[in-house]
Amino acid sequence: SQQGEEDPQALSIQEGENATMNCSYKTSINNLQWYRQNSGRGLVHLILIRSNEREKHSGRLRVTLDTSKKSSSLLITASRAADTASYFCATRETGANNLFFGTGTRLTVIP
Amino acid sequence: GAGVSQSPSNKVTEKGKDVELRCDPISGHTALYWYRQSLGQGLEFLIYFQGNSAPDKSGLPSDRFSAERTGGSVSTLTIQRTQQEDSAVYLCASSLAPGQGDRWGGYTFGSGTRLTVV
Repeated sequence: SQQGEEDPQALSIQEGENATMNCSYKTSINNLQWYRQNSGRGLVHLILIRSNEREKHSGRLRVTLDTSKKSSSLLITASRAADTASYFCATRETGANNLFFGTGTRLTVIP
Repeated sequence: GAGVSQSPSNKVTEKGKDVELRCDPISGHTALYWYRQSLGQGLEFLIYFQGNSAPDKSGLPSDRFSAERTGGSVSTLTIQRTQQEDSAVYLCASSLAPGQGDRWGGYTFGSGTRLTVV
């Protein structure tokens, strides 16, 4: 299975601090995406990075991708209490049509 | 519609009964996906539709699970003879078809159906 793994499983920080989450995967990918989930319901797409990209920014989010190490990181800067959620990485294998999701990181931002 | 709509939002059923879960994707999204998520776990891929056909059914956990999609739009996931281990949140997502260049990107998820088998 191409399922990724996030690290850490849980992260607790103070508001204003930066949060870094990591994702590792197993095979060749077309792109890697990060999603956010509140309260165990629908996921919201945050950012997509393609296999030929190394870094991407969107607002307070910064994503890096290292295809040689098969890993990605999501950095949330200047965190807010509203950032409290679970964050999942998802990968689309080369030639595949569906995404495989990791196990998620539960982020808690303390006001 | 503006988003992916799933119904019902919650379903409690007795063990052994059949259930149907419905997903109404974003208009124009030809790809539709079903996932399930057990409490505190990641997402488990179930099935993928491109139009009305399902090229990948590899994730269906048993022959009690089936899904169909009609008119390239609404999809129904059916679970027959439900078991307690079927309890989970069932998530549907839709997207533009892969291969549409840079427009293909993320999935849009519905809010899910929380299924509880008692």
